[in-house]
Amino acid sequence: SQTIHQWPATLVQPVGSPLSLECTVEGTSNPNLYWYRQAAGRGLQLLFYSVGIGQISSEVPQNLSASRPQDRQFILSSKKLLLSDSGFYLCAWSDLIGGLTSTDTQYFGPGTRLTVL
Amino acid sequence: AQSVTQPDIHITVSEGASLELRCNYSYGATPYLFWYVQSPGQGLQLLLKYFSGDTLVQGIKGFEAEFKRSQSSFNLRKPSVHWSDAAEYFCAVGEWAYFGNEKLTFGTGTRLTIIP
Repeated sequence: SQTIHQWPATLVQPVGSPLSLECTVEGTSNPNLYWYRQAAGRGLQLLFYSVGIGQISSEVPQNLSASRPQDRQFILSSKKLLLSDSGFYLCAWSDLIGGLTSTDTQYFGPGTRLTVL
Repeated sequence: AQSVTQPDIHITVSEGASLELRCNYSYGATPYLFWYVQSPGQGLQLLLKYFSGDTLVQGIKGFEAEFKRSQSSFNLRKPSVHWSDAAEYFCAVGEWAYFGNEKLTFGTGTRLTIIP
C-alpha cells in the first residue's frame, strides 16, 4: 500500500531563516505531488505541483520554492522566512493517469506545522 | 475559475443526531467533487468522492453525499453522528487536466463539534 511521510511534524523558525520541508511517498511510482498551505481559519491553498522529476509548477507567487530531486521526494524551501509563511503545510500525492476518461484522487500526508517568530 | 463555498463555519450537533454539511461549487463543466475530513493537527482523509454516475455517493465512516447539479451542491450527510466525528470537514472540486494533473480547489471548511 502507499504511504506518504512529511517531516518535521512541527517547526519553529525565526524570521529570515531558511526552510526545508520534506515529503516522501512510498509504494507508488511517478506520482503527481502537491504542496498546500493551510493558514489558520482558512482553507487549503495549492502552492506547487509536480508531474515528474525536476518539473515544478507554481500556483501563486510567494516566498517559497519547491524541488523534486527524486521520483517520490518533494521538498518545500525558502531562503528567508517571513512571518506570513506560518501555517500548516500539507503534501499530497496522486497517481499520474493519462487519458480523457480517467481521473485521480489526492491523498494527504500528516502535515508540518510551521511557526515563524 | 472553479470555486467552492462552505457556508457554515462551525456546526454543533448532539451525539446521535443527524448531520448535514453544505457545499456549493462553481465549475463550468462536470465537476469532480470530494469531501475530506481533518482531525486536529492531522492531515486530510478522503471521505468520499463523486466522479460520475449515481448522484448519491457512499463513503467511509457512514457518510454519504448527494450531487445535485441543478443546485450546484454536494452536501455531506450522516444519519447519526458519533463523538469521534468531531473534526473539520472540507469540500473540494477537482479540475481534471489531461494526463492526470488534477487540481483541487477547497472550501474554507466546516468545523463540527459534537455535544453529549
